[in-house]
Amino acid sequence: SQKIEQNSEALNIQEGKTATLTCNYTNYSPAYLQWYRQDPGRGPVFLLLIRENEKEKRKERLKVTFDTTLKQSLFHITASQPADSATYLCALYPRGANSNSGYALNFGKGTSLLVTP
Amino acid sequence: NAGVTQTPKFQVLKTGQSMTLQCAQDMNHNSMYWYRQDPGMGLRLIYYSASEGTTDKGEVPNGYNVSRLNKREFSLRLESAAPSQTSVYFCASSTSGGHSTDTQYFGPGTRLTVL
Repeated sequence: SQKIEQNSEALNIQEGKTATLTCNYTNYSPAYLQWYRQDPGRGPVFLLLIRENEKEKRKERLKVTFDTTLKQSLFHITASQPADSATYLCALYPRGANSNSGYALNFGKGTSLLVTP
Repeated sequence: NAGVTQTPKFQVLKTGQSMTLQCAQDMNHNSMYWYRQDPGMGLRLIYYSASEGTTDKGEVPNGYNVSRLNKREFSLRLESAAPSQTSVYFCASSTSGGHSTDTQYFGPGTRLTVL
């Protein structure tokens, strides 16, 4: 069966360090992978999208890698701040998903990040 | 722009009662979605609407109905609420859902408790 796996245990790090979150998937061949942030009591917010032919993508202090051989994406936050504390979700469409085959943006369960001062 | 709005924010129902969750977006998006989020289960798609006039089932549609009232509005109805439907419900929209680069915009959620 198709699975998107993210660490269920919370990640606690000190302010200023780099946080690295992992997303592994099985039985998918995604052309794209997305990352979202969710704060308590709020809906997810889109952060980054990476294509299969992009090994790495950056946005300010965020960096995402995508290894289709390992079937894994890593999400890095450099110089982390307490304001980065949130749950981070990865999501992907199965290859071939379109309006005819059905919408299937599948989400992982998310990893909670806590950055302490 | 308000983005995606949902009403109500909180609701408590008794088993067997019915209610409608409302969702509206002002981004001129074609596609809209309803998800539920439960602890340990992540986000699960209930129903979606690819465009005005169409709706389709997602992963967990049982016990729910939807209506795409117009391009802006997409409602979710519980005809006879059950305790298993206690959850946080999110509405989302996207430009043209199903395209792999399409990203979703979420509302603030409705926290529903069924006693």
